[in-house]
Amino acid sequence: AQKITQTQPGMFVQEKEAVTLDCTYDTSDPSYGLFWYKQPSSGEMIFLIYQGSYDQQNATEGRYSLNFQKARKSANLVISASQLGDSAMYFCAMREPYSGGSNYKLTFGKGTLLTVNP
Amino acid sequence: DVKVTQSSRYLVKRTGEKVFLECVQDMDHENMFWYRQDPGLGLRLIYFSYDVKMKEKGDIPEGYSVSREKKERFSLILESASTNQTSMYLCASRWGHLNTEAFFGQGTRLTVV
Repeated sequence: AQKITQTQPGMFVQEKEAVTLDCTYDTSDPSYGLFWYKQPSSGEMIFLIYQGSYDQQNATEGRYSLNFQKARKSANLVISASQLGDSAMYFCAMREPYSGGSNYKLTFGKGTLLTVNP
Repeated sequence: DVKVTQSSRYLVKRTGEKVFLECVQDMDHENMFWYRQDPGLGLRLIYFSYDVKMKEKGDIPEGYSVSREKKERFSLILESASTNQTSMYLCASRWGHLNTEAFFGQGTRLTVV
């Protein structure tokens, strides 16, 4: 079963507008973490934002914020005031314990390709 | 700055060859990961390691093996390369702490002909 689901293969947004990229996850462990990464056409993976399962507040980093809805198991990325340079592939990832121990694996979704139009 | 270095940016190998992809990190990270990235499939976890000589299978380990003899180095081995292993391979590493992100190498584009 998919652990991380990103249902939007592609998204378009006008420059300066806000956009939400969806991510839902599946885990039975109470301790987990959620990450968002950006991958521009150059191929590098850029860490954007992190949300822990016990964090009381939604994470924010500059123009990025994470809309964390624990009961719905969703962790959507919100990008405010989109810029042309935001055009990239965006991946949601989950850190979860491996075999119930203290070691962790990192699982990624299939990604969403965001295009920002001028 | 954290640095994760993959030994090759591009590789072309023949079917049946044994292929080694090397990854080195310079930040004393406990955890290291190998992923393959294919269009429409995202990043799929092949193997990961949480300590020296420790390895665990990810979601798609078939046809691959790994080695971690030293903390800084994590090698991915294709025992007998096949054309369906043509892909982009990404190595990542992170500290074992709960909320630390993973750092990625630049990727190796492997073509098996």
